[in-house]
Amino acid sequence: EVQLVQSGAEVKKPGESLKISCKGSGYSFTSYWIGWVRQMPGKGLEWMGIIYPGDSDTRYSPSFQGQVTISADKSISTAYLQWSSLKASDTAMYYCARRNDGDYSAEIDYWGQGTLVTVSS
Amino acid sequence: DIQMTQSPSSLSASVGDRVTITCRASQSISSYLNWYQQKPGKAPKLLIYAASSLQSGVPSRFSGSGSGTDFTLTISSLQPEDFATYYCQQSYSTLLFTFGPGTKVDIK
Repeated sequence: EVQLVQSGAEVKKPGESLKISCKGSGYSFTSYWIGWVRQMPGKGLEWMGIIYPGDSDTRYSPSFQGQVTISADKSISTAYLQWSSLKASDTAMYYCARRNDGDYSAEIDYWGQGTLVTVSS
Repeated sequence: DIQMTQSPSSLSASVGDRVTITCRASQSISSYLNWYQQKPGKAPKLLIYAASSLQSGVPSRFSGSGSGTDFTLTISSLQPEDFATYYCQQSYSTLLFTFGPGTKVDIK
């Protein structure tokens, strides 16, 4: 069974750093892109970026370039999303998601359960 | 960047109603269009991929159509468990997926 299991909720202060994780199991972790999606309270889904754990090729949405860092450790089948200096506006639910590629399609077929990040002084 | 719009932003419907949600892309995306359902407090769930292919395990009352810039998600007979928010997503821009703003379906 394919699973993406994310780390638990975090409460941080502005200016602090944070790294959240997403552990994949039940499939070849190095063969599928893993994306990160932000959902601010009461708002829609925003695509942040994506990483290919096989070679760590990483792409960022322009809105998130320079704001976060996406990485992966294929030895432990885990992807990461990190911030060096959190802002209150980073308060959101963050989902990791597996991209599946078909012959003429590309979709997110599995999602993590989400990690709630709250940034407040 | 490819921008996605959805209409309506919300709708109220009754059990048994036929519901149609529209998604439009800012440029042609061929059939690289997916639909997701999200319920409160839960992760999104894939319903339709490649514009019209039903994801395994999804009820057949859900269907998708369209190509190019205009797409539609139809629920043929709304069930109580279908009250949720629906998002379209383009995957034509290979590594920079974009979601639509969402359509909330609630009970009339």
